[in-house]
Amino acid sequence: AQKVTQAQTEISVVEKEDVTLDCVYETRDTTYYLFWYKQPPSGELVFLIRRNSFDEQNEISGRYSWNFQKSTSSFNFTITASQVVDSAVYFCALSEAGTYKYIFGTGTRLKVLA
Amino acid sequence: SQTIHQWPATLVQPVGSPLSLECTVEGTSNPNLYWYRQAAGRGLQLLFYSVGIGQISSEVPQNLSASRPQDRQFILSSKKLLLSDSGFYLCAWSVTRTGSSTEAFFGQGTRLTVV
Repeated sequence: AQKVTQAQTEISVVEKEDVTLDCVYETRDTTYYLFWYKQPPSGELVFLIRRNSFDEQNEISGRYSWNFQKSTSSFNFTITASQVVDSAVYFCALSEAGTYKYIFGTGTRLKVLA
Repeated sequence: SQTIHQWPATLVQPVGSPLSLECTVEGTSNPNLYWYRQAAGRGLQLLFYSVGIGQISSEVPQNLSASRPQDRQFILSSKKLLLSDSGFYLCAWSVTRTGSSTEAFFGQGTRLTVV
């Protein structure tokens, strides 16, 4: 069965600090896809990144970076030099090939304090 | 470009009243469509998804139903709302390319309060 665990319910950091959001997933499939979404206070989910199970390369996009490790079934998200605008709820999600379903974790609320 | 429209943005309904939330997608054909619910301070729960007209898969037995009368239209309904139906409802779409799951794109959501 598919499962995504985001153990960190809420994190507070001071602006300019680095912060890592953890995501651990469970799947029996060898082909699957992992995602991160940002939910600002407005409520709409904003897509950040998609990763497939065959690509373990880490990715960097500006202040955002993602660390995918199949050995530990983790797909962690790091924000470098955090800003107040990064304050939001962040969701990790998993989709097994051919299932059409996206299973989300419970989210991590990030508060960046000025 | 593709866009997704979801309405209404906010809804307050009495217990026992019916519900109809509508979602439409533009700019793509044969999308996969989804309804998720987010209870206050909690994660996203998949309610229904559809891979084609008239094809509905239900994930959680509940007081709700879904229909897909047209390729890019997805409707969430209830005959009689319960207090526990309160929450934030999100519609989403995705496409499948040669067996791979693309990312899902979400509407702006409907905040439903049952009183």
